[in-house]
Amino acid sequence: LAKTTQPISMDSYEGQEVNITCSHNNIATNDYITWYQQFPSQGPRFIIQGYKTKVTNEVASLFIPADRKSSTLSLPRVSLSDTAVYYCLVGDYTDKLIFGTGTRLQVFP
Amino acid sequence: GAVVSQHPSRVICKSGTSVKIECRSLDFQATTMFWYRQFPKQSLMLMATSNEGSKATYEQGVEKDKFLINHASLTLSTLTVTSAHPEDSSFYICSARYTGERTEAFFGQGTRLTVV
Repeated sequence: LAKTTQPISMDSYEGQEVNITCSHNNIATNDYITWYQQFPSQGPRFIIQGYKTKVTNEVASLFIPADRKSSTLSLPRVSLSDTAVYYCLVGDYTDKLIFGTGTRLQVFP
Repeated sequence: GAVVSQHPSRVICKSGTSVKIECRSLDFQATTMFWYRQFPKQSLMLMATSNEGSKATYEQGVEKDKFLINHASLTLSTLTVTSAHPEDSSFYICSARYTGERTEAFFGQGTRLTVV
């Protein structure tokens, strides 16, 4: 199970693009990279998942370099409602879901 | 995304009593479900992994006789906190993962347990 490392916190302003990077140096061949968002007193919410290159959905983009040892979650034009904790998880369908510290994103007006 | 329903969302109980928390996958079948607890300003801590029809696998340091987990069907798992004490007060969250070779997991809304 690959361990992940993320910045503890990040600050941004409304309307800016936010990029949160996650390091996972020991990622295995079958591992996928998944990002979750959590608001206070709520369960985490699935944001996006990828294996390699770039994945985009209506909420975010996920950039994964060729060596897959890191990944970057990109949130376009953040708003105050994007203030939350963001978690990066790495694993395959048999792995336990182990959460790291996550990144606490604070968006200011 | 898929929906996982967790009930109750909030419960207050007296010391020494037991509390049951239900976790249901509403629109998909989940072979594997996970139970977490979370303290304020901290990350989710995995308590146990349950697979339908078999015994749960508990993480180190989690008392299996205190936190009883039952995963009787592909859509329902329950966590029972037995003989609850104030130190068991926490935010409990369940997660369900798709059956088969899919890695996405979806989470319940959480249960705030307060033991008085």
